[in-house]
Amino acid sequence: DAGVIQSPRHEVTEMGQEVTLRCKPISGHNSLFWYRQTMMRGLELLIYFNNNVPIDDSGMPEDRFSAKMPNASFSTLKIQPSEPRDSAVYFCASSFQGVHYGYTFGSGTRLTVV
Amino acid sequence: TQLLEQSPQFLSIQEGENLTVYCNSSSVFSSLQWYRQEPGEGPVLLVTVVTGGEVKKLKRLTFQFGDARKDSSLHITAAQPGDTGLYLCAGADNQGGKLIFGQGTELSVKP
Repeated sequence: DAGVIQSPRHEVTEMGQEVTLRCKPISGHNSLFWYRQTMMRGLELLIYFNNNVPIDDSGMPEDRFSAKMPNASFSTLKIQPSEPRDSAVYFCASSFQGVHYGYTFGSGTRLTVV
Repeated sequence: TQLLEQSPQFLSIQEGENLTVYCNSSSVFSSLQWYRQEPGEGPVLLVTVVTGGEVKKLKRLTFQFGDARKDSSLHITAAQPGDTGLYLCAGADNQGGKLIFGQGTELSVKP
């Protein structure tokens, strides 16, 4: 199993540009989570999906952030327009049969907005 | 809002020493997990504890879930440089749908 695959690993963009982060969860996992990690705030949950349906997006900071999961094997997190304060490492994680079984995280996308 | 506080935030020790990391909350969690994260990578699950008072051992690592399911600890015996990393505790929220993470403990074990 290749694990959770995220792309790109690194993204540098100018303020105001659109950024799209991609995630392929582990096959068979039915929950997908997007987290953001910064030194100041640690790991913050942005949004999660169960069976491709968004369940809780209360962590999405602003309307500039949106996430989709068109099928069980793909999800995107989009920021439009991007701002310097969005600079962080964004992680995607997936799980099977609920939170008690633990999450498998991807390697993350390090986003820098200049 | 359920919050998890970890202590200490930073820990630098010599190889061979023992250490304990704490994870505390005023809220009850249905389960609690510990993860270890290395630079440039995502967190990796170490253990899940579910029952109040539960103790789990993973080689030199001992994990304990408080009786009231509000706190947990991670004890490492005879730490090695390979134990260096960020240790994160995470609690399952009351609805059991998502994990809430603590801020983490940055451990450095010097040879």
